[in-house]
Amino acid sequence: QVQLQESGPGLVKPSETLSLTCTVSGYSISSGYYWGWIRQPPGKGLEWIGNIYHSGSTYYNPSLGGRVTISVDTSKNQFSLKLSSVTAADTAVYYCARVPNSFFDYWGQGTLVTVSS
Amino acid sequence: EIVLTQSPATLSLSPGERATLSCRASQSVSSYLAWYQQKPGQAPRLLIYDASNRATGIPARFSGSGSGTDFTLTISSLEPEDFAVYYCQQGSNWPPYSFGQGTKLEIK
Repeated sequence: QVQLQESGPGLVKPSETLSLTCTVSGYSISSGYYWGWIRQPPGKGLEWIGNIYHSGSTYYNPSLGGRVTISVDTSKNQFSLKLSSVTAADTAVYYCARVPNSFFDYWGQGTLVTVSS
Repeated sequence: EIVLTQSPATLSLSPGERATLSCRASQSVSSYLAWYQQKPGQAPRLLIYDASNRATGIPARFSGSGSGTDFTLTISSLEPEDFAVYYCQQGSNWPPYSFGQGTKLEIK
């Protein structure tokens, strides 16, 4: 059973960097697939943030203006998200997910990150 | 960026009825279209991928159809647990992946 679990601070100050980690169990990241981050502002829809391949290749949503960095640590079976220069508009539930091809099949439970001073 | 438009925004039906949800893409996505179900406080759950393939463990009352720009999710006979928000998502021309704005299926 593939499981994903997000972890990281629930509160980030404006202009600082949001950092989250996704720990994968039941499947080795090194075995393949893309791994992605998606977010959902309170009461709103879903927005794709970016993907990373097990080899380290990354793809990001241009709408986030180059503020995103996704990395992978295959030794820990984890991948991570960094979003810099955050504002209140970055307040959202952040999900990690496995990306077999063109869709997201396994999702973490999500973690709420609030941007506030 | 491909824009996905879902209709209707809200659908009010009773258990046992048939639900038909629509997703239209601003340009062709071939068959790279997925559907998700989201209940309050939960992560989205994959229902359908590649337009018409049911994900593992998804009941047969859920079916998907379409290709190109027009897609449909059909729930043949609504169960009480089916009332939720449904999103479509395209994976044809990425980055970026894009999602529709959602259809809320509510109990009439």
